Amino acid sequence: DTGVSQDPRHKITKRGQNVTFRCDPISEHNRLYWYRQTLGQGPEFLTYFQNEAQLEKSRLLSDRFSAERPKGSFSTLEIQRTEQGDSAMYLCASSGRDNYGYTFGSGTRLTVV
Amino acid sequence: EDQVTQSPEALRLQEGESSSLNCSYTVSGLRGLFWYRQDPGKGPEFLFTLYSAGEEKEKERLKATLTKKESFLHITAPKPEDSATYLCAVQAGGYSTLTFGKGTMLLVSP
Repeated sequence: DTGVSQDPRHKITKRGQNVTFRCDPISEHNRLYWYRQTLGQGPEFLTYFQNEAQLEKSRLLSDRFSAERPKGSFSTLEIQRTEQGDSAMYLCASSGRDNYGYTFGSGTRLTVV
Repeated sequence: EDQVTQSPEALRLQEGESSSLNCSYTVSGLRGLFWYRQDPGKGPEFLFTLYSAGEEKEKERLKATLTKKESFLHITAPKPEDSATYLCAVQAGGYSTLTFGKGTMLLVSP
């Protein structure tokens, strides 16, 4: 299966610690997205890459959040100085040049204690 | 600002009892409307994309329709394995990102 892979699946961290998540998109997809989802809500857009260029960031994205996609392949999302409000499912998705029908990964569940 | 409202928030059906889920949207220049299915603890799974009013798409027991203001996901003779949260999302013209609704949680009892 060559779907979108996310690692780790679950992360528990203490408030104030830094965490980093990884996403491996479908290999032929040049677009990569990060979304955040809390219980009872739909996914909320965080940031978007086309190849290695970060083209869009949500205005809701705190300065504590940073994302990279070196060489246009995998991507990392780092959260610095985590807060309890950062607890959520972090979803990665990718899409091809036709830009339709994102494929989502299974997500990383972050719990900040 | 793009907005997506889904109703009902939750729906309980008996196996075989057909129904419809609603997605109302406000967007500047609709580029596409997407339906996803999400099982607990998993990422959304793509179902359909609709591009223009009047368009319909079907997959097994599911049928999605689109008007200029809303979309419906019709579920015919549902089975317990159709139980999931169904998410609707819109993509505005000129943008790549999706704006999601909160979803409808569907429970189908045997």
